[in-house]
Amino acid sequence: SQQGEEDPQALSIQEGENATMNCSYKTSINNLQWYRQNSGRGLVHLILIRSNEREKHSGRLRVTLDTSKKSSSLLITASRAADTASYFCATPYTGGFKTIFGAGTRLFVKA
Amino acid sequence: DTEVTQTPKHLVMGMTNKKSLKCEQHMGHRAMYWYKQKAKKPPELMFVYSYEKLSINESVPSRFSPECPNSSLLNLHLHALQPEDSALYLCASSQEGLRTSGSSNTGELFFGEGSRLTVL
Repeated sequence: SQQGEEDPQALSIQEGENATMNCSYKTSINNLQWYRQNSGRGLVHLILIRSNEREKHSGRLRVTLDTSKKSSSLLITASRAADTASYFCATPYTGGFKTIFGAGTRLFVKA
Repeated sequence: DTEVTQTPKHLVMGMTNKKSLKCEQHMGHRAMYWYKQKAKKPPELMFVYSYEKLSINESVPSRFSPECPNSSLLNLHLHALQPEDSALYLCASSQEGLRTSGSSNTGELFFGEGSRLTVL
């Protein structure tokens, strides 16, 4: 598989806490992306970080990328019940046309 | 609200039926994709169309037949499916197409809400 693992597989936290999800990949990348999927629905693109970037912020999201370790993390700060979803990291290959998704982390935020 | 529209939302079919899934986008995107997703698993790439031509086929069985009638539409024709083909089928699009001279794009995908397929 070109894609590695995400951990944890599942995460349950209280509203207001921070949630951190990790992703590893196996081959060189141009960028890494994070997507969110509410139960049984389509995926929504959250944030993209390029291989020459180390950290990126978007609202309550913070993404880091360590190309030497082939890993990335997604931090959601001050979580809300509405953040309950599955989160996938994704790496595009073949000129960006073959996007491989990680196994995903299922986040449950308790109100 | 998604700008990629998939129909039907739910489909139940027998193993001898022929049915089609449809996908439409009006964002002017030049690449369109079919993904298959089983429960609690990540989406798996099936097909990629670029500039209305099939560019990537991930060794998908021939009982799945994609079609791209024009730059806005993508179909997935289903015939003689097996119960293990039951899954959520996701359509996606991306802005750039793959040019013969080679190009790259960020790979940012815009997904539809999916078609939930059950094969009896």
